[in-house]
Amino acid sequence: AQTVTQSQPEMSVQEAETVTLSCTYDTSESDYYLFWYKQPPSRQMILVIRQEAYKQQNATENRFSVNFQKAAKSFSLKISDSQLGDAAMYFCAYRSLGNQFYFGTGTSLTVIP
Amino acid sequence: GAVVSQHPSRVICKSGTSVKIECRSLDFQATTMFWYRQFPKQSLMLMATSNEGSKATYEQGVEKDKFLINHASLTLSTLTVTSAHPEDSSFYICSARGGQGRSEAFFGQGTRLTVV
Repeated sequence: AQTVTQSQPEMSVQEAETVTLSCTYDTSESDYYLFWYKQPPSRQMILVIRQEAYKQQNATENRFSVNFQKAAKSFSLKISDSQLGDAAMYFCAYRSLGNQFYFGTGTSLTVIP
Repeated sequence: GAVVSQHPSRVICKSGTSVKIECRSLDFQATTMFWYRQFPKQSLMLMATSNEGSKATYEQGVEKDKFLINHASLTLSTLTVTSAHPEDSSFYICSARGGQGRSEAFFGQGTRLTVV
């Protein structure tokens, strides 16, 4: 079974600064999808960014970008110009072609004003 | 993004009773729906995966007779917690994935179940 590891249970960042959240995964598949989801205090899971494994180019969505290293099975999330509203729990997720989603244990991000 | 509506957001029930949670995809057809359980400050634990018109596939350790899942249409899946006990109290989240090449899943707002 695929496993997703987030080694940083908690992170903090100063407002307007940049922070990087780490994620590694284990798989024997060559085609898959990776995601970062955000869960604010409301507990509504929100998609932040996604990456298709077959694409070499790193995905970017406004202030959010990823560093996808397929060979190293690493998928980190960079948040630039951090805002107070970015404070949340962030989950890295892997989706196999077989439709199963696997989530990491999450990183709690605090944004310091 | 697509919208998934989960209802109710909070429910309190007495021990021994059953409670039903609905998950609807409002603007897309959900070929697959997932049900998760989340304990405080923990990750999402997949309970089961359901495809429209077929029986749900339950994860190991999840009692299928206790957590009944029905995915009767492409826009609705329900989770019924039968004979609820206090240890069933938790946060339950559904997510839905559509077809047409959509890779991501969209999540409902979650349901806080408290069994007293």
